[in-house]
Amino acid sequence: GAGVSQTPSNKVTEKGKYVELRCDPISGHTALYWYRQSLGQGPEFLIYFQGTGAADDSGLPNDRFFAVRPEGSVSTLKIQRTERGDSAVYLCASSPSPDRGEQYFGPGTRLTVT
Amino acid sequence: GQQVMQIPQYQHVQEGEDFTTYCNSSTTLSNIQWYKQRPGGHPVFLIQLVKSGEVKKQKRLTFQFGEAKKNSSLHITATQTTDVGTYFCYTNAGKSTFGDGTTLTVKP
Repeated sequence: GAGVSQTPSNKVTEKGKYVELRCDPISGHTALYWYRQSLGQGPEFLIYFQGTGAADDSGLPNDRFFAVRPEGSVSTLKIQRTERGDSAVYLCASSPSPDRGEQYFGPGTRLTVT
Repeated sequence: GQQVMQIPQYQHVQEGEDFTTYCNSSTTLSNIQWYKQRPGGHPVFLIQLVKSGEVKKQKRLTFQFGEAKKNSSLHITATQTTDVGTYFCYTNAGKSTFGDGTTLTVKP
């Protein structure tokens, strides 16, 4: 079956602009995670959804970052007033288990803020 | 907050040599997972360990969870060039946390 997909694969934006990153999880997976990864580092947790609700948003770095999952499947990560430090690969993962079992990652969106 | 530390950061081996990466925590973990990320790719789930002292094997890979559930290891026997990549440990005990990984390179 289809895996996790993310769009766009690459996004270049100017400092101060608004961006939206989309994640389509594996069908039926109730848990969805967002991470960002910088070169040479492990994925950094941003937010975790169980169904439609954000069960843990403690990783969002500040109020410029926001994520939604209105129908419990597709999720959008929104970044306002982008800064150069936001440049990273943004990874989405979904998990079949409400107990937060193994995660299946998408290919990521590479965000570059110029 | 919850942290898991991985060592070494890099490991270069000759094909056929063994490889081990270690993941350590200052607190007891309810579970630990291991992922592999190939260069330019995304993390791929390998295994989950939940029991104290648990040992699991996948072909040439052996995963261990410490008795105190504060550390874990991944051992690869007789490395192959297909083993190259970065190996991460992960825990969701508390906050979802990945280690910074061990990057393995294999010289043919």
